[in-house]
Amino acid sequence: AQSVTQLDSHVSVSEGTPVLLRCNYSSSYSPSLFWYVQHPNKGLQLLLKYTSAATLVKGINGFEAEFKKSETSFHLTKPSAHMSDAAEYFCVVRDSYNTDKLIFGTGTRLQVFP
Amino acid sequence: DGGITQSPKYLFRKEGQNVTLSCEQNLNHDAMYWYRQDPGQGLRLIYYSQIVNDFQKGDIAEGYSVSREKKESFPLTVTSAQKNPTAFYLCASSMLPGMNTGELFFGEGSRLTVL
Repeated sequence: AQSVTQLDSHVSVSEGTPVLLRCNYSSSYSPSLFWYVQHPNKGLQLLLKYTSAATLVKGINGFEAEFKKSETSFHLTKPSAHMSDAAEYFCVVRDSYNTDKLIFGTGTRLQVFP
Repeated sequence: DGGITQSPKYLFRKEGQNVTLSCEQNLNHDAMYWYRQDPGQGLRLIYYSQIVNDFQKGDIAEGYSVSREKKESFPLTVTSAQKNPTAFYLCASSMLPGMNTGELFFGEGSRLTVL
């Protein structure tokens, strides 16, 4: 069965420093992986997605993620954090058996300090 | 502007009462979904619908009911049988085939509190 594990529940960075949000996945098949962002009391928005094309995926707002099969990882990065990046981030894998279902990680809350 | 509208944004209910959360979309999407979000647990799928007059249970359907009489609308009823209904509820939609793009479009959520 597919699953995702977000290794940090909270990450704090200073504005202008790099961001790293870690995600490991478990999947028997070539997975489809996604990162979503949620600002407080809002819905979720797709940041980026990996669907077996290029392993380095670029998303919105300067975020990118690298698919590493050997490490079963899909970490989210950004070179320089902005105050507006403060939000909750979810790593998500698509269920290979029921492609109408997405399996969400438990989320990582990113705090950005001035 | 196209999007998903959820209402009400905040809702309080007494124990034993049923409540219905509204979800309307004007994106012309075929598939619609209801998720429940609890702190530290990510999102869990309650129900989803791929076409009008058809819907499937998700992972935590007990105590909930839905209908899909119109393509644009997918209301969720939280019944008195739901033992712990206090949560943040999110409605989403996507084009069919449902997950080929992986992109769900979310509403802004409804926060239900049981007093």
